Amino acid sequence: AQSVSQHNHHVILSEAASLELGCNYSYGGTVNLFWYVQYPGQHLQLLLKYFSGDPLVKGIKGFEAEFIKSKFSFNLRKPSVQWSDTAEYFCAVPQRNTGFQKLVFGTGTRLLVSP
Amino acid sequence: EAGVTQFPSHSVIEKGQTVTLRCDPISGHDNLYWYRRVMGKEIKFLLHFVKESKQDESGMPNNRFLAERTGGTYSTLKVQPAELEDSGVYFCASSQMGPANSPLHFGNGTRLTVT
Repeated sequence: AQSVSQHNHHVILSEAASLELGCNYSYGGTVNLFWYVQYPGQHLQLLLKYFSGDPLVKGIKGFEAEFIKSKFSFNLRKPSVQWSDTAEYFCAVPQRNTGFQKLVFGTGTRLLVSP
Repeated sequence: EAGVTQFPSHSVIEKGQTVTLRCDPISGHDNLYWYRRVMGKEIKFLLHFVKESKQDESGMPNNRFLAERTGGTYSTLKVQPAELEDSGVYFCASSQMGPANSPLHFGNGTRLTVT
């Protein structure tokens, strides 16, 4: 079965620091990848996704992620975080052969940005 | 447009009691999903409805869980009788039929605590 690993469970940064959250997935071949974010008290929302093409994907709010097939990775980055980026971040892949919506999630990374 | 709404937002019940969670998807969304996050673990797929039909219920943990979507609109997830390990956050998500990569829209979740 597919799995997703997020190695950083808690990250604390000061405003303006750079962010990189790790995500590794367990299988090769055709892969689609997602990052979701849940801000405090809000619903999970899509931050960015990779389906094909340019492996460097731009998302909302200045986030980007790079798909590196050889490393089975899809790390999330932001050059300069803001206090409003405090949230929990989830990497996800679709369960194989089930379309794009039956997702396998990582355990999440809780980011705290101090002002 | 109104988003996916879930009710209640929190529920605290005793072991052995029954709880019913409700999800109202975005109007016109035929796909409806239930996911669950047990404390500290990953978000896991429970089941998928297409309109009123269960398309995939492979993630349902056991027969104490019963999901329905009568009329293909809102859905309920009943836990009867509840056990301590059922505690967690239950997420609902919906999407349109059509392209397999139609985005998932999540609700805020219901936090269930079984004492």
